[in-house]
Amino acid sequence: GAVVSQHPSRVICKSGTSVKIECRSLDFQATTMFWYRQFPKQSLMLMATSNEGSKATYEQGVEKDKFLINHASLTLSTLTVTSAHPEDSSFYICSASGLAGAPYEQYFGPGTRLTVT
Amino acid sequence: AQSVTQLGSHVSVSEGALVLLRCNYSSSVPPYLFWYVQYPNQGLQLLLKYTTGATLVKGINGFEAEFKKSETSFHLTKPSAHMSDAAEYFCAVIRGADGLTFGKGTHLIIQP
Repeated sequence: GAVVSQHPSRVICKSGTSVKIECRSLDFQATTMFWYRQFPKQSLMLMATSNEGSKATYEQGVEKDKFLINHASLTLSTLTVTSAHPEDSSFYICSASGLAGAPYEQYFGPGTRLTVT
Repeated sequence: AQSVTQLGSHVSVSEGALVLLRCNYSSSVPPYLFWYVQYPNQGLQLLLKYTTGATLVKGINGFEAEFKKSETSFHLTKPSAHMSDAAEYFCAVIRGADGLTFGKGTHLIIQP
């Protein structure tokens, strides 16, 4: 149980275009989903927290108009990188929490490698 | 505010030797602490966690960690390293409902 998927696993896009990343909890209802980014050989940095049906809460320094997060259902959250630039190239990882009996545990997706050319 | 410090960005041990990865935390509230492992180009896998109760926590793959409040530490150990343990290890503290704060990670190298 507690499987989280991400799609796509890898994406290459041209500078100025937008790209959408999906995060799904496959076997539980995720009341909260988190988006992290990880630069090469660095740690994960929390970008934003989203609760189903609510606006996402962004960390300081994260542009909410650039990184659009939608959490329309208890099993799906999307991150859209708008007008992507090469500096947005990174590994984006989502996690989900809300599994019954494990309120503080986050389950991570496999990540999405974004390359902006 | 919560923070995590992992001492040693790289740790190298011989196969069969003891693994010790250090983690110290700072938290204004009783902490919930986690250790995750990450293999190249993959997401994170939970090794173990401490929330309440017993301070010695056993996890998967033979790893364990001990919560020491007096030392604000949560070091990860494994008695005998295996080649498959080579990976990146992250210590993290939960920020309530606001996600996890991660340490910078420790790259574990296993020498044959």
